[in-house]
Amino acid sequence: NAGVTQTPKFRILKIGQSMTLQCTQDMNHNYMYWYRQDPGMGLKLIYYSVGAGITDKGEVPNGYNVSRSTTEDFPLRLELAAPSQTSVYFCASMGSADTQYFGPGTRLTVL
Amino acid sequence: DQQVKQNSPSLSVQEGRISILNCDYTNSMFDYFLWYKKYPAEGPTFLISISSIKDKNEDGRFTVFLNKSAKHLSLHIVPSQPGDSAVYFCAASVSQGGSEKLVFGKGTKLTVNP
Repeated sequence: NAGVTQTPKFRILKIGQSMTLQCTQDMNHNYMYWYRQDPGMGLKLIYYSVGAGITDKGEVPNGYNVSRSTTEDFPLRLELAAPSQTSVYFCASMGSADTQYFGPGTRLTVL
Repeated sequence: DQQVKQNSPSLSVQEGRISILNCDYTNSMFDYFLWYKKYPAEGPTFLISISSIKDKNEDGRFTVFLNKSAKHLSLHIVPSQPGDSAVYFCAASVSQGGSEKLVFGKGTKLTVNP
């Protein structure tokens, strides 16, 4: 039981490049979330999903897209990377117990 | 507008003493509160939670207190251990239309000195 896994762990992008951050959970959780954490700040919600095929915007969705074709996977897409997207990205999932379980994070730098 | 505030960026205590981490919130619709612990280069891990119908929840060395009238919660760690050194995030749950979204504070870095 791996919990929530994220790939890659680290990535450096050039301005304007695109990439997909992968997130997979093996707990059969319906809810999944993407957060970003900037230095000295709390986690801010980017997008979330309440089940396969259903996604919705969080607090800071601009510049990102998501999809949820399966219960297990919730990839986050950056289309045109900007320096403001330099951050640590965390994926989380939640079952029925109101507790979110987080992955180890992806550290992204946009230069 | 910061709905969940952790006004102390850092806290340093001696091993064996009590650590008290504080959190204030502004949204009276919050009905569930959680504390997460985060070590460097790792994701946050759930520590303890409390529902708005309670004023105290205890789990081993960790106790969370909720004062709804003051919109304030605190996490007590007794006794503190060096392994407790981490960043602690307070989070509050907003239930909207069946989805559960958390609002996080900025975190308090706890250092427990041997």
